[in-house]
Amino acid sequence: DVKVTQSSRYLVKRTGEKVFLECVQDMDHENMFWYRQDPGLGLRLIYFSYDVKMKEKGDIPEGYSVSREKKERFSLILESASTNQTSMYLCASSSPLRWGEQYFGPGTRLTVT
Amino acid sequence: AQSVTQLDSQVPVFEEAPVELRCNYSSSVSVYLFWYVQYPNQGLQLLLKYLSGSTLVKGINGFEAEFNKSQTSFHLRKPSVHISDTAEYFCAVCHQAGTALIFGKGTTLSVSS
Repeated sequence: DVKVTQSSRYLVKRTGEKVFLECVQDMDHENMFWYRQDPGLGLRLIYFSYDVKMKEKGDIPEGYSVSREKKERFSLILESASTNQTSMYLCASSSPLRWGEQYFGPGTRLTVT
Repeated sequence: AQSVTQLDSQVPVFEEAPVELRCNYSSSVSVYLFWYVQYPNQGLQLLLKYLSGSTLVKGINGFEAEFNKSQTSFHLRKPSVHISDTAEYFCAVCHQAGTALIFGKGTTLSVSS
């Protein structure tokens, strides 16, 4: 069974802390994505990556960075967490041969206090 | 620029009733269209997709959608819903392989007995 796993289901951090959200996929997919999901706003793309060490900004990259050192792992970094980054964060992966068919992890609900 | 509009934020229905979740998109070029479903406390999973060919697309769990180019719509339908269909449904579009998915804001389907 294919899987995208995220390091935490729930996370509570303080304002100003550096936060790492980890995502691992076991499908050998080239493409990986980070979204945030907020009520009434749907999913908004933060960053995506087509390959190792490559990254592209999505619609809302401000306040975030990413790292992709290995094909299976895509990390989202909040350099200095703020309360407006309290959200559900979803990771996804896909193959370039089946564009649009994204496999999602269960999500990390991050609360910044 | 592409955009996706899901016309209903919430759709309450009774079990065994038919349902239609509406989705309109705006794009001046050909598009690929998708419906994703998110069950409570889970990530998203692909329900169905339209890439080309027949405008009536069948997906998992008895859902189907019809691509209507003249009305720029991709409405999701099911003739008889179950309690287990209670979830949030997202319509998404991209205009070519290699571009990111644009998601709608979601429609919450609530099925009651």
